[in-house]
Amino acid sequence: KAGVTQTPRYLIKTRGQQVTLSCSPISGHRSVSWYQQTPGQGLQFLFEYFSETQRNKGNFPGRFSGRQFSNSRSEMNVSTLELGDSALYLCASSSGLAEETQYFGPGTRLLVL
Amino acid sequence: DQQVKQNSPSLSVQEGRISILNCDYTNSMFDYFLWYKKYPAEGPTFLISISSIKDKNEDGRFTVFLNKSAKHLSLHIVPSQPGDSAVYFCAASPLRGYALNFGKGTSLLVTP
Repeated sequence: KAGVTQTPRYLIKTRGQQVTLSCSPISGHRSVSWYQQTPGQGLQFLFEYFSETQRNKGNFPGRFSGRQFSNSRSEMNVSTLELGDSALYLCASSSGLAEETQYFGPGTRLLVL
Repeated sequence: DQQVKQNSPSLSVQEGRISILNCDYTNSMFDYFLWYKKYPAEGPTFLISISSIKDKNEDGRFTVFLNKSAKHLSLHIVPSQPGDSAVYFCAASPLRGYALNFGKGTSLLVTP
C-alpha cells in the first residue's frame, strides 16, 4: 500500500500571500489530520477531517482552513501568511474508526519571507 | 498549554545499552498513548502504542510502560542500535484515532 503523500514538499512564500497544501491519505483511509511542527512549539494539531466533514479542530486562527474531498484527499489553506507560519506541515491518515493509528506523510516545509 | 511533556530534549546512549525515554501528561482524559520516531526531512513513523487498560506493551526491542496514577509513560529500547538515533515523540489522545497531543520530542543519539 502506498503511504501518505503530501505536495508540494517545499514552498517559499512572502508575507500576506496565501498557500494551499495537499495531502493524499493511504488508500481506504477516510480520516485526514493536519499538524504544524515548529522548533518552539513542537507538533500541534490543526484539524481533522472525516468523510468530508471537519470532526476536530485545534487552537489555530481562522486563517488556517481545510477541506476534504469525496476521495478523502485533503487540502489545507493558510491565508494572509505571517512569518510565524513558517513550519513543517504534516498530514496523517487513519481509517477514522476508534481502533486505528494515524500514519504520517513526509510533510510540506513552508518558508514565509 | 503543553498537556504532554518530554522534559529531556536529548539523550545519548551507547550501542547495546538500554535507552529510556520519558513522557508526562496532565490531562486525565487521555486514554491512548503512542510513540513516534522521526528522522530529519521525514514525517513521524509510528512505533508503538498503549491504551490505558494496559500498563505495558512490547514490540520487539521496544517496550512502552504506562503509569496512569503518575500520569507517566516511558519507552524502553533494548538493545539500542545506531539506527535508532532519531527524535522520539510521545503523543496522547482521549480516544484512539482522534487528535493527538504531542510532546516536543527527545533527540536520541546512539553511539557505537
